Amino acid sequence: QQPVQSPQAVILREGEDAVINCSSSKALYSVHWYRQKHGEAPVFLMILLKGGEQKGHEKISASFNEKKQQSSLYLTASQLSYSGTYFCGTEDGAGNMLTFGGGTRLMVKP
Amino acid sequence: KAGVTQTPRYLIKTRGQQVTLSCSPISGHRSVSWYQQTPGQGLQFLFEYFSETQRNKGNFPGRFSGRQFSNSRSEMNVSTLELGDSALYLCASSLVPTGMNTEAFFGQGTRLTVV
Repeated sequence: QQPVQSPQAVILREGEDAVINCSSSKALYSVHWYRQKHGEAPVFLMILLKGGEQKGHEKISASFNEKKQQSSLYLTASQLSYSGTYFCGTEDGAGNMLTFGGGTRLMVKP
Repeated sequence: KAGVTQTPRYLIKTRGQQVTLSCSPISGHRSVSWYQQTPGQGLQFLFEYFSETQRNKGNFPGRFSGRQFSNSRSEMNVSTLELGDSALYLCASSLVPTGMNTEAFFGQGTRLTVV
């Protein structure tokens, strides 16, 4: 079953923060985050494993709450380059298929 | 190093026809996954191949099939095309099977239009 992402879309001004959530009805083994810019291929951001720690990459970080079967992606001090569609992918077991959510469209304006 | 290559980039087919899409993974990658992307549906998993064996299969009808060759290149076939099959088909390659704490690299996709 597909994870649910929220919000579906968000518009920010440069420098503002955003949070994107990813929820599943199943117990999760891992959560993967990707960003896809318009007309381009999705690009890997990070993986969070069950029992693992919160991860970060420059001003983008994420958390994984196993009990709530939920992950959140945090974008701080957003830049124009952050614009795109963010997808979370979830696995309910090691080596099982990666199921992606519907995506969150993020637009950062000057 | 070269990225994931998908051919063709664009395709227009008529209902009822069949189509074959190709994906060449990054050199050394043995896992290839296929996804269908449509507006509002996100990325729908089709299937994954690793070392020529199908590991996982998504919830798509039997008209969708795939295979992987010994050089890790993969093909996806859709028979008896329907209008609803119009979509961007993406493939992703990784060193090991998806989910084993590994990053996947996506190709630019093949845009299929069924008329």
